[in-house]
Amino acid sequence: SQKIEQNSEALNIQEGKTATLTCNYTNYSPAYLQWYRQDPGRGPVFLLLIRENEKEKRKERLKVTFDTTLKQSLFHITASQPADSATYLCARRRDAGGTSYGKLTFGQGTILTVHP
Amino acid sequence: GAGVSQSPSNKVTEKGKDVELRCDPISGHTALYWYRQRLGQGLEFLIYFQGNSAPDKSGLPSDRFSAERTGESVSTLTIQRTQQEDSAVYLCASSFRSEAFFGQGTRLTVV
Repeated sequence: SQKIEQNSEALNIQEGKTATLTCNYTNYSPAYLQWYRQDPGRGPVFLLLIRENEKEKRKERLKVTFDTTLKQSLFHITASQPADSATYLCARRRDAGGTSYGKLTFGQGTILTVHP
Repeated sequence: GAGVSQSPSNKVTEKGKDVELRCDPISGHTALYWYRQRLGQGLEFLIYFQGNSAPDKSGLPSDRFSAERTGESVSTLTIQRTQQEDSAVYLCASSFRSEAFFGQGTRLTVV
């Protein structure tokens, strides 16, 4: 079965530092990986998507990498701010055939706390 | 509407009662997902609808859980004979191509 794991339950960093979150997957590489942010009491919000053939993707202070050899994606927040504190989730989409095509599976999430 | 809408936002029910949760996806989104999130936990996949294909029900935890979707429109998640372990936030999401858009969730409390 396809699994997706986020190794760290929680990450605490100081304001201004770079936060790095890890997402690992099993079996074959998905066509792309997605990253979401979830604030308490809210539904997840999409942040970034990186495709299998892309090594790196950037959006403002966010950077995502995709390493198909390591079967891993790294999510970086540079110049972190207390407002970045939230749970960050990675997700893979099933892109094989059958009724599950397109099914999104999420990792357990990493709780990021940025201290002022 | 502009986003995914879920109702009710909160539901308190007595153990043993049936509940029905509703999700209105974004218009035109062919895919619809239901997830369960217990306090402090990750998203647990329940069921996935894609267009007119048979749904992927592999995440439903027991036969007390069922879900329907009308075409590419509204979906309802029904939990029969609720138990305290069913207490959680139930999240619905819809998508067209890749990114999923989530509703605010229904917080279900079984007392």
